[in-house]
Amino acid sequence: EADIYQTPRYLVIGTGKKITLECSQTMGHDKMYWYQQDPGMELHLIHYSYGVNSTEKGDLSSESTVSRIRTEHFPLTLESARPSHTSQYLCATAGNRGTDTQYFGPGTRLTVL
Amino acid sequence: GQNIDQPTEMTATEDAIVQINCTYQTSGFNGLFWYQQHAGEAPTFLSYNVLDGLEEKGRFSSFLSRSKGYSYLLLKELQMKDSASYLCAVRDNSGNTPLVFGKGTRLSVIA
Repeated sequence: EADIYQTPRYLVIGTGKKITLECSQTMGHDKMYWYQQDPGMELHLIHYSYGVNSTEKGDLSSESTVSRIRTEHFPLTLESARPSHTSQYLCATAGNRGTDTQYFGPGTRLTVL
Repeated sequence: GQNIDQPTEMTATEDAIVQINCTYQTSGFNGLFWYQQHAGEAPTFLSYNVLDGLEEKGRFSSFLSRSKGYSYLLLKELQMKDSASYLCAVRDNSGNTPLVFGKGTRLSVIA
């Protein structure tokens, strides 16, 4: 399995603040993903990357940005947090072969007041 | 279009066997995955099928029929700790496209 780290694990922040959620992995996987998931609800793909300098938008990307300057890191930034951003954010990676399994990090639980 | 259907909720008793079905309609097919997700936690990988047939892994088995666009996850000797959501996901084309996830089946195991 991949070693995937997300920081912070929990964050409570006020409306209007800029926040960056960190995701890092040690397996050298090319593919990385960000998902948003409300409790008991389905996963929504926010952004993904095929490798360094590659970023693609998912279904729910309009209020956030990502960067992929290094293979290991795939940070997600919310320029201006709103209460509607309150959710769990999950980072995932997949290996370099076509059918490699996608593994998830532990998640960041974000609350915007 | 892409569509994955699975039941929303299921309930089963301890020590029983439960089968969670998943049907999919995708533009292509390059593998089907099952994940387990306990409440408040991240999904964890359970199984992968790319060829027709049954893959067994301990108490869990997964079956695939590509011609029918159908898979199931079979859980045997149910335990209380198996109470979780089970997500079906399909890789619909080349390996570079993100997985298409179903909405998940919430399984409750009761005594």
